[in-house]
Amino acid sequence: GAVVSQHPSWVICKSGTSVKIECRSLDFQATTMFWYRQFPKQSLMLMATSNEGSKATYEQGVEKDKFLINHASLTLSTLTVTSAHPEDSSFYICSAREIQGGETDTQYFGPGTRLTVL
Amino acid sequence: GQNIDQPTEMTATEGAIVQINCTYQTSGFNGLFWYQQHAGEAPTFLSYNVLDGLEEKGRFSSFLSRSKGYSYLLLKELQMKDSASYLCAPMDSNYQLIWGAGTKLIIKP
Repeated sequence: GAVVSQHPSWVICKSGTSVKIECRSLDFQATTMFWYRQFPKQSLMLMATSNEGSKATYEQGVEKDKFLINHASLTLSTLTVTSAHPEDSSFYICSAREIQGGETDTQYFGPGTRLTVL
Repeated sequence: GQNIDQPTEMTATEGAIVQINCTYQTSGFNGLFWYQQHAGEAPTFLSYNVLDGLEEKGRFSSFLSRSKGYSYLLLKELQMKDSASYLCAPMDSNYQLIWGAGTKLIIKP
């Protein structure tokens, strides 16, 4: 299947700092990427849908000024957690949609980024 | 509303067969995905069904009945490494995946 990478795999930062997470589709072009957050033992929560060349669509309750998303190319989307606080500590996972010959496409996930805010 | 119903946890024995059921209600339907997620890791794609019937892929098979809003994932010849959470994720009319809490599968020797 298609490969999606994410960097960094884990990060520890101080409260009030900003953290940038990169998501790359390595062997396919992804016009759409998704950002999820997952707290321990809970289900995936979609934060936003990122479309190449346009503004991201945020889910209800997700602050767009706090979670900045940029999808400047067909293989790269970034999520920046601005002014991070301990409650932002979570597992952040991106996925990229691979379009397969016009059929409904599959989302492939990156390995995730574990963010700990002290 | 949109809803996914899967058992919270299941236990099976190494070498056996286990079936994980999923019922769903979505606004529109564009297929159903099954993902495997090991603890602390991101989900990995297992299968996709859009038409009724059984799709077989090695030790894993997935079944869909659209009229019943029902799917199952069948795992054969269970191995210890199959211990993980299994997520049933239907896709709604907006092509959004709807996620439930998943089923935690515990494999015992």
